[in-house]
Amino acid sequence: EAGVTQFPSHSVIEKGQTVTLRCDPISGHDNLYWYRRVMGKEIKFLLHFVKESKQDESGMPNNRFLAERTGGTYSTLKVQPAELEDSGVYFCASSPLAGGPTETQYFGPGTRLLVL
Amino acid sequence: GNSVTQMEGPVTLSEEAFLTINCTYTATGYPSLFWYVQYPGEGLQLLLKATKADDKGSNKGFEATYRKETTSFHLEKGSVQVSDSAVYFCALRPGSGNTGKLIFGQGTTLQVKP
Repeated sequence: EAGVTQFPSHSVIEKGQTVTLRCDPISGHDNLYWYRRVMGKEIKFLLHFVKESKQDESGMPNNRFLAERTGGTYSTLKVQPAELEDSGVYFCASSPLAGGPTETQYFGPGTRLLVL
Repeated sequence: GNSVTQMEGPVTLSEEAFLTINCTYTATGYPSLFWYVQYPGEGLQLLLKATKADDKGSNKGFEATYRKETTSFHLEKGSVQVSDSAVYFCALRPGSGNTGKLIFGQGTTLQVKP
């Protein structure tokens, strides 16, 4: 069974440009999460999809970030326009819907974003 | 609010040494607690978990006990190997509300030397 995949693995862009990150969850997993780790600090939650609906987007830093999950399969996270402080590692995770409070979230390898 | 605090790294040990990585938390209700590990070049993997007080999670020789009285979930291993070199993250899932989000500590880098 394939794990969570993320694309690209690395991205280097200039301030003001747009970048789109993609996450493919494990097949059949209805829960999809985005997290971010900035400058070696803690990993912070960004948002949570259940199928195609946003269940919790309380961690989204501002309106320059747009996440979508059309059709309830893969998800994209667009940053437009990118700022220097957006640099970091963006992780995606997925889990089955019926996992409850002990559900295991399966993480992808992350996308390393550097904004110059 | 909910938060997780881990000991500062990096931690450098010789092979076969005893490992402790401290983790304390602040949470409302009854959270579930997790340790995740990130090996070089890979994504986060669940190492172990505990869902209620006094539970002990264990995997690959690592152990952690959910201590409600001290709000701690310290990670231990009796004899580390070079292959244990990685970044370790303590995390909690809040016990209240309908959220599935994890709240992480800042991570602790472990380097094990032969």
